[in-house]
Amino acid sequence: TQLLEQSPQFLSIQEGENLTVYCNSSSVFSSLQWYRQEPGEGPVLLVTVVTGGEVKKLKRLTFQFGDARKDSSLHITAAQPGDTGLYLCAGARDYKLSFGAGTTVTVRA
Amino acid sequence: DTGVSQDPRHKITKRGQNVTFRCDPISEHNRLYWYRQTLGQGPEFLTYFQNEAQLEKSRLLSDRFSAERPKGSFSTLEIQRTEQGDSAMYLCASSAGLAGGYEQYFGPGTRLTVT
Repeated sequence: TQLLEQSPQFLSIQEGENLTVYCNSSSVFSSLQWYRQEPGEGPVLLVTVVTGGEVKKLKRLTFQFGDARKDSSLHITAAQPGDTGLYLCAGARDYKLSFGAGTTVTVRA
Repeated sequence: DTGVSQDPRHKITKRGQNVTFRCDPISEHNRLYWYRQTLGQGPEFLTYFQNEAQLEKSRLLSDRFSAERPKGSFSTLEIQRTEQGDSAMYLCASSAGLAGGYEQYFGPGTRLTVT
């Protein structure tokens, strides 16, 4: 049983469209991290959010941490084929990470 | 900074054999973590070290699994008497800890297939 629930599980969109991935939990985390993973590779860290209500922007990616530090969202504006991948959220407690099952994003050219 | 490295990248073994994986963390990172990831799931925590001390082990880590970090640098994960259910991607991550933050950086993983 994973502490974090991600939705949707799969997302397929056309290049130029926007998308949002959600990460929800009933547990409070000291921080939340978002990773992107390519097939056969390890997860690559995109961002860490620490403060409730925090919003971070990374080019076309916007990350938000919920006020209660239990949930988060990732929004991609004007998606590109290079954004294709598995997006994982991970909550940190006691120095270890609990991951969601991931959202597979496919951006069609 | 060369990042976290893992060796081998792929391992195919027969059921009942022992296997050992190696992880080299980012230099000067004092925390090292092992995770296991199966198809369609996110990584699951197995164990972690602060320097050479193994501080926590998940109940997922059965008696057939053992991990070491003898000099506080590289780590090894050994699986004895492998079973088909051990087939997974084994991921290693490291973090700087108190001084440098708790963000974890992952290696490329070792894909284990038990036949």
